[in-house]
Parts: sequence; structure tokens; C-alpha cells
Amino acid sequence: EAQVTQNPRYLITVTGKKLTVTCSQNMNHEYMSWYRQDPGLGLRQIYYSMNVEVTDKGDVPEGYKVSRKEKRNFPLILESPSPNQTSLYFCASSFKHRTDTQYFGPGTRLTVL
Amino acid sequence: SQQGEEDPQALSIQEGENATMNCSYKTSINNLQWYRQNSGRGLVHLILIRSNEREKHSGRLRVTLDTSKKSSSLLITASRAADTASYFCATDPYGGSQGNLIFGKGTKLSVKP
Repeated sequence: EAQVTQNPRYLITVTGKKLTVTCSQNMNHEYMSWYRQDPGLGLRQIYYSMNVEVTDKGDVPEGYKVSRKEKRNFPLILESPSPNQTSLYFCASSFKHRTDTQYFGPGTRLTVL
Repeated sequence: SQQGEEDPQALSIQEGENATMNCSYKTSINNLQWYRQNSGRGLVHLILIRSNEREKHSGRLRVTLDTSKKSSSLLITASRAADTASYFCATDPYGGSQGNLIFGKGTKLSVKP
């Protein structure tokens, strides 16, 4: 089944403790991206990747890192999480470009205490 | 940078009625997409309309695009309780960065049985 998976789905952590949210797609998509969703603010793009080893900042990249070593995986790294990073995070992928249909993962609900 | 703005923010209708949601945007676009999100879940692609198209249909969905007014509308005909969800427009700004797809804040639709 074609899908985007994220792990973990729920995470409660403390300020400053490094964490990684994994994202994997099995559709051989070139384009992948991360979004955060907050009440009243909608979805905001954090980082995106056009292909392996090619990543770039979205609208709200501060406090986040990403890597794209393999085509299928696009992990989101929070090196020193802070409470303002408490949010619902989505990974998405598409065939080649932002204009293609985006396939979203199920979301990761992160709480930073 | 918030590009798309949906209107209304919330909409409550009875089953069988039509639901209309609007999206306005600020800059010229290549295309516009509509997505649906069931509570707390990942977004699902509904329909894409290109800047040179004026209207598009998919089942009970009808999307229009007016580039002169920088606006789009999504019409759901004969709504069902299962249509209860949030609906987002996403724009691909013309001349924008290669990766940035910009989502609006969404319209929350509630369809009462």
C-alpha cells in the first residue's frame, strides 16, 4: 500500500532533550516536506527536499534540522526542543514537485514540557 | 508568509445541503489545490486546478478559479455527515521558491445528520 509513515505518533518530552521524528515513503517520491500545524495558524512548512541530499528551508525552519540521505526517508530533528515547538507535525511527499499531489503522513503530536 | 485565506472559518449545514468554501490568495499562482483533513489526521488531496483553468469537477466536488480576483471556491453538493472535516486550499506561488507550497488556515465544515 502506498503510504507515508511517521514515528512516533505521539511524543511527550522535556525541554532540551534531542529528538528525531522519522518519516518514510514507499512511493519513490522525490519531493518531501515537513509541516507543523497549530490552532489559528494553519499548516506552515518547516523544511522541504527536492531530492536526495537537497534540502531547503520553508517558512518556519528555526529550531529544526532535516536530512535526506536516502530517497525514502526524511527525518525531522529537534536538537534542543522548546515548549513553543509543541505542535502537530506532518510529513508529506509528492512525485517530483510541490505542485504534484501531496501525500501526507498520519501526523506526530509532540508536547515539549 | 500566509498566501491562502479560507472563508468562512467555520460552516455548519444540514445533510443534503450544499457547502461552499472560498479561498483568496495574494500573489499570482501556477495552480491551486484543495485538501481535506479529518480531525487530527493527515491531509488528503481532493482536487488541483491550474491557473489556466476556470472550473473543475470531481464527483460531488466543484472547484472554480478566478485569477483576476485571486480567489477560488470549493462547492460540495448534497453534503453528507462524512464530509465533516476541515478544508484547506494550497497555492503554488508563481515565481516562488522551488519547494514552498503554502496552505491557508482552513474552513471547518460540520454536516449535521
